[in-house]
Amino acid sequence: GIQVEQSPPDLILQEGANSTLRCNFSDSVNNLQWFHQNPWGQLINLFYIPSGTKQNGRLSATTVATERYSLLYISSSQTTDSGVYFCAVEPAGYSTLTFGKGTMLLVSP
Amino acid sequence: DGGITQSPKYLFRKEGQNVTLSCEQNLNHDAMYWYRQDPGQGLRLIYYSQIVNDFQKGDIAEGYSVSREKKESFPLTVTSAQKNPTAFYLCASSIRRAGSGPEGKYGYTFGSGTRLTVV
Repeated sequence: GIQVEQSPPDLILQEGANSTLRCNFSDSVNNLQWFHQNPWGQLINLFYIPSGTKQNGRLSATTVATERYSLLYISSSQTTDSGVYFCAVEPAGYSTLTFGKGTMLLVSP
Repeated sequence: DGGITQSPKYLFRKEGQNVTLSCEQNLNHDAMYWYRQDPGQGLRLIYYSQIVNDFQKGDIAEGYSVSREKKESFPLTVTSAQKNPTAFYLCASSIRRAGSGPEGKYGYTFGSGTRLTVV
């Protein structure tokens, strides 16, 4: 099956810093989503981005489908950004999401 | 507001018991999914359903069963055959069915999860 690798596995930032999270995948995809899992376990959809670039406030994401990677940018980080960020992909010809193992982000005041 | 409701939030199971986790959506989505999350891990697919009265096994279906009698509902039963059921269970739905083409592709929406513990 498709392999989804996220890096770094853990990240500690001071409030106000910027960061880039990476997701590499091993095959063509029809769907790619970035999620934020909060401390209570809720998965919040950040971006649906099978290709191209999108921005939402301090967050932006870019997927280069031909090179099989996606990047999530967090600017001016806040303590509320802490949690686990997951990349999930739906391979071409399939109908379910495969998740990476996530990046755990801790933003300290 | 539309969304996905999972219940209960916390569930305790005794050895040898079957328990059922509820998942209801009012988003009019065709497809529904069950994922399992273990501590420090990503999500793994248990079962999914693309249409009423039809469902398929995911990567870790052994010890679980599902039904899809209504579009809105996709309950998951954790049977006594599941040897290590303690985990966080997440239900999701999406508007798209398999094979509908790129124009029909939308994101997945997740419920708030059920934490199951064996006592």
